[in-house]
Amino acid sequence: EVHLVESGGGLGQPGGSLRLSCAASGFTFSASAMNWVRQAPGKGLEWVSAVSDSGGSTYYEDSVKGRFTISRDNAKKTLSLQMNSLRGDDTAVYYCVSRGPDRELDNWGQGTLVTVSS
Amino acid sequence: DIQMTQSPSSVSASVGDRVTITCRASRDISRWLAWYQQKPGKAPKLLIHAASSLQSGVPSRFSGSGSGTDFTLTISGLQPEDFATYYCQQGNSFPYTFGQGTKVEI
Repeated sequence: EVHLVESGGGLGQPGGSLRLSCAASGFTFSASAMNWVRQAPGKGLEWVSAVSDSGGSTYYEDSVKGRFTISRDNAKKTLSLQMNSLRGDDTAVYYCVSRGPDRELDNWGQGTLVTVSS
Repeated sequence: DIQMTQSPSSVSASVGDRVTITCRASRDISRWLAWYQQKPGKAPKLLIHAASSLQSGVPSRFSGSGSGTDFTLTISGLQPEDFATYYCQQGNSFPYTFGQGTKVEI
């Protein structure tokens, strides 16, 4: 069974940093592209970032480009999101999500809440 | 960026009803379209991928159709556990984008 478990959420200061991690198990992590998707309180889903299976290619939504960095460690089966220069509109539940062969987001973690506030 | 427009934003329905949700892409996305179900406080769950392929374990009352720019999710015979919010998502190109969601409620 696939398990994706996020950690690292919490309260961050405006302009500050947080690092999210995701521990994966139950599937061939090194063969799967991975994503972060977020959901602000009471709002819809927003794709944030993706990384290829090898880690060689990364992609970002415009509002986080230059502030967030996605990375992965295939040996440790972990996905990370380094979040710098945090803003209030980064407040959301962040989900770690694997990508399937039809570019669907097939397996989701339970999410970790990030709150940006002074 | 590709904009995904869902309609309606909400629908009132009863158990046993047939419910149809539409999703329109701002440009051709072939069949790179997925549908998700989300219940309050829970992570989204994949229902349909490649526009019409039912994800393993998802009941057959869920079906998807369409290609290009116009897509449909149909729930045939609504069950109590189907009351939730549904999202479409395009995987044609980055940034991946979601529709704004359709809430199915009593």
